[in-house]
Amino acid sequence: IAGITQAPTSQILAAGRRMTLRCTQDMRHNAMYWYRQDLGLGLRLIHYSNTAGTTGKGEVPDGYSVSRANTDDFPLTLASAVPSQTSVYFCASSRWGDNEQFFGPGTRLTVL
Amino acid sequence: AQKITQTQPGMFVQEKEAVTLDCTYDTSDPSYGLFWYKQPSSGEMIFLIYQGSYDQQNATEGRYSLNFQKARKSANLVISASQLGDSAMYFCAMRENNAGNMLTFGGGTRLMVKP
Repeated sequence: IAGITQAPTSQILAAGRRMTLRCTQDMRHNAMYWYRQDLGLGLRLIHYSNTAGTTGKGEVPDGYSVSRANTDDFPLTLASAVPSQTSVYFCASSRWGDNEQFFGPGTRLTVL
Repeated sequence: AQKITQTQPGMFVQEKEAVTLDCTYDTSDPSYGLFWYKQPSSGEMIFLIYQGSYDQQNATEGRYSLNFQKARKSANLVISASQLGDSAMYFCAMRENNAGNMLTFGGGTRLMVKP
């Protein structure tokens, strides 16, 4: 693989269920990010990690958790999904200090 | 207050003409970076161009240039010689150095290129 992969591509989920969105990068980037994209609002940062073992909250962290056990993986967990979490979720990565963030293809999540 | 404002929700441009997409930003950080991303209908985010707050010259990348007016806090994207493949959503984003490597995005502009 080259770049960033996300899984699943799309998912329909019942409210109250737990869901983990997976993100893997093979570029050895130290920083990784999760964004959600909603119509008219652009992308908003949920959580980030500057390096393995550390995470931080972004603009809209409530209802989400992340972990960064190693450099390559940065899963996003919804402990108990709600309909307002229906969105497209993008994972991204970058080398610290670099200008460009590389984005994954996105996961379309629908919570009913 | 909005950190990144894109006031044009949608725009049309004739093929082969130039088009300017507006972006204004708000920050008190003296060191920051401005970015433009393209999102075609397929959904992926494609990095186009970057401008640093201390860069003396406007950034250019092929047909893309960034009209950076620091005093006005604007960072407009200029696409020259529009092509049908330029039809997409365009997002302006900012990274403030006191906020780490995180990006703050505007709401986007949908550009439609007419043949």
